[in-house]
This record gives sequence, C-alpha cells and structure tokens, in this order.
Amino acid sequence: NAGVTQTPKFQVLKTGQSMTLQCAQDMNHEYMSWYRQDPGMGLRLIHYSVGAGITDQGEVPNGYNVSRSTTEDFPLRLLSAAPSQTSVYFCASSTGAGNTIYFGEGSWLTVV
Amino acid sequence: GQQVMQIPQYQHVQEGEDFTTYCNSSTTLSNIQWYKQRPGGHPVFLIQLVKSGEVKKQKRLTFQFGEAKKNSSLHITATQTTEVGTYFCSGGGNTNAGKSTFGDGTTLTVKP
Repeated sequence: NAGVTQTPKFQVLKTGQSMTLQCAQDMNHEYMSWYRQDPGMGLRLIHYSVGAGITDQGEVPNGYNVSRSTTEDFPLRLLSAAPSQTSVYFCASSTGAGNTIYFGEGSWLTVV
Repeated sequence: GQQVMQIPQYQHVQEGEDFTTYCNSSTTLSNIQWYKQRPGGHPVFLIQLVKSGEVKKQKRLTFQFGEAKKNSSLHITATQTTEVGTYFCSGGGNTNAGKSTFGDGTTLTVKP
C-alpha cells in the first residue's frame, strides 16, 4: 500500500531558487493538504484542496503555490526559497473534512 | 477561527509513570482525532472520538472526549520507552469548511 508518497525526501536549496515538492496519493481521497513543521513545533497548514481544481489557503500560505489538476496529485511550489522556509513538509490526504488524515513521510528542506 | 490548544508542551516521565496530555478547543468540535509522531517520523493516526463523553481504550492508552465536545485527553498508564514521541490532537470543525486544526502537540520523553 503506497498511501501518500512525497518526493524528494531531502533537498537543499539556495536562497531565491524555486522548486516543487511532489505529492501523490492512491487512496482516491478528495481532501489533500500541505503542512510544515518547524523544530519542536506543531503542524501548520499551508494550503489545502477539497477536490480536483479547488485549492485554498491555510494558516501560512505566503511563498507557496499549489495546484490540483487531478485527484491523485497535489504539488507544492516554492516560488523563491528563503531561509525561513527551512522546515519539514508533510503532504496529507483524507476522505473529507474532519476525517482521518494520512500523512506522507515528509520532505526535509533546507534553504541556505 | 477555531483554535485547538494542547498542554503540556513537553512531558518527561520515568518509565512506569503515567502520562496525560490535554486538548482544548475554543469551539465545539464534530470529532477529535489523536496522532502520534515518533522522532524523525510522520504523524500516524491513533484514534477518533465522535460522541459526547466518549471513552476509548487502546491497551494502556485511554482517550476521552468531553461532554461539551470542546476538550479531550489522552492518558497513558505505566508509560514505556517505546511510547516516546509527540502526540497531537486534531479537531474537526462543525463548519462546512470543516478543516481539521492541530494542536501544537505534547512531546513525551521517557527515562528508562
């Protein structure tokens, strides 16, 4: 069972570079979301999607873009990386609002 | 907006001691979920509570949902070293948007 798959697992970026974190789920879940987790901190919602073609902002959306062209995929784009975006990023999916959330294994991003 | 507060932020116990973490919401929740994140890992679903006053047990873990559906607790009896990690609660809102809001987590360390 693949579940939620994120790539890459580790990435080092230079300030100003752009990149895309990939996320795919094979559970046919409508809801997908991206969280960031800073050391010793909780999970902060970046963007989420309630279905293909629909996205919305979470708590900390600045500096990130998302799109949802298919049910399976929900990539997160960093437009111009900044050191403040150094974090662990988790993609997640669920069948609906308030339902069990399945997380990917995380992507460790360092911006230097 | 809906906020979920979790206390304590950190808890250090001796192996065999009990541990409790509390989750409090500013609004009534449709459900509450608990997740565990091992060090270096990703959050993994533990349980969901839906009914007012509900109590569920998983071995030495006891989960409670308050009568007003605004608070919850996780209690571990005789904590073991394998239970180290961060425990998060996530509250499902009653609005149509229904986004789940995570508490900041309680990080448990256990001394053998």
